[in-house]
Amino acid sequence: QSALTQPASVSGSPGQSITISCTGTSSDVGGYNFVSWYQHHPGKAPKLVLYDVNERPSGISYRFSGSKSGNTASLTISGLLAEDEADYYCSSYTSSNTWVFGGGTSLTVL
Amino acid sequence: EVQLVESGGGLVQPGGSLRLSCEASGFPFSSYWIHWVRLAPGKGPAWVGCINTDGSSTSYADSVQGRFTISRDNAKNTLYLQMNSLRAGDTAVYYCGRGLAVVAGFGDYWGQGALVTVSS
Repeated sequence: QSALTQPASVSGSPGQSITISCTGTSSDVGGYNFVSWYQHHPGKAPKLVLYDVNERPSGISYRFSGSKSGNTASLTISGLLAEDEADYYCSSYTSSNTWVFGGGTSLTVL
Repeated sequence: EVQLVESGGGLVQPGGSLRLSCEASGFPFSSYWIHWVRLAPGKGPAWVGCINTDGSSTSYADSVQGRFTISRDNAKNTLYLQMNSLRAGDTAVYYCGRGLAVVAGFGDYWGQGALVTVSS
């Protein structure tokens, strides 16, 4: 159950778009369309922003979108807002019938 | 209103045991998988395990397999996490999270978290 690989940090200016990658293996990301993304502010529970690669839960802005190619999933946030600054984590179902998180990406809105 | 309320956290010595509870309300508890996730100090979330709707099937992360047990009492709308042989590395805030309704995944609703500190 190795953690999925994410860049440690990304940044963007308000209004711009950023993309965060999440790389796994054929036993997790590449094998299933069960990839989720969470927004996390320290001290709080993670907030689900995408599930099933590109599905938004109720109340999540259309600015959040996802995709997957092979063993890599991606989260794109368009029209960056200051409130988007947070840590983002991907998660995937695995062939071991477990779930695994990524190492996390810190998003800075410049 | 969907609510998940954890209880049972606290300070425990290495090798000790602790049981967390997660009481649900505002939704048909027996129809949802429930997951446990933990956040260690300064680290990101780590999946701990999950349980299916009737409690007949569970799954655990390698790091807790054989030490932690998840169970549920649907009559009481309550989920449990029994933690044995606790280690310093188990120190974290533990959250219960609701599974998604008709697809895989979890975390549309979370509890407020229960702090578990393993220290002598």
